[in-house]
Amino acid sequence: GQNIDQPTEMTATEGAIVQINCTYQTSGFNGLFWYQQHAGEAPTFLSYNVLDGLEEKGRFSSFLSRSKGYSYLLLKELQMKDSASYLCAVLVQAGTALIFGKGTTLSVSS
Amino acid sequence: GAVVSQHPSWVICKSGTSVKIECRSLDFQATTMFWYRQFPKQSLMLMATSNEGSKATYEQGVEKDKFLINHASLTLSTLTVTSAHPEDSSFYICSAENMNTEAFFGQGTRLTVV
Repeated sequence: GQNIDQPTEMTATEGAIVQINCTYQTSGFNGLFWYQQHAGEAPTFLSYNVLDGLEEKGRFSSFLSRSKGYSYLLLKELQMKDSASYLCAVLVQAGTALIFGKGTTLSVSS
Repeated sequence: GAVVSQHPSWVICKSGTSVKIECRSLDFQATTMFWYRQFPKQSLMLMATSNEGSKATYEQGVEKDKFLINHASLTLSTLTVTSAHPEDSSFYICSAENMNTEAFFGQGTRLTVV
């Protein structure tokens, strides 16, 4: 079976840095995605990693280690609007559906 | 960037009626689209894979006669919830992949069956 694990909840304060971890065990691997989802809305794309290493995009960075089946999403200079659910998803095979983790609810307080 | 449009955004229907949800890829052709369902505070669960010109592939536990999927063109897939019941109330989301395997999501449809 396919398994993707991420923490259920995290809290942080404005201006801080938070790292959301994701581990996966899947039958194949064709890339790992991070999405942000606010309550009642559809997920929005944040990042995509298919090779090992760090991808930086503004305040958000994502890291991948394929050998360890591990990724993290790093959010810097946290803002209140970053309060949302963050979904880790794996593309097992091109042309198939993404498999999602259960999501991590991040609460940012002032 | 690629856009996937889903309609309607929300719908309320009476128990026993049917509801059709449309998913369109606006600026790219999608031979495959995916339908997900998301219950409150849970993650997205894949319901079915919609293939243009052929029958959809349903995940285990999803009733194909209840959730009818039609993918008649490279830019449109529809999901019809037939004989809806309150337990079908959920957030339904479609997605489509472009040639770079980037998945884009529709806005989602909040279905409430009363």
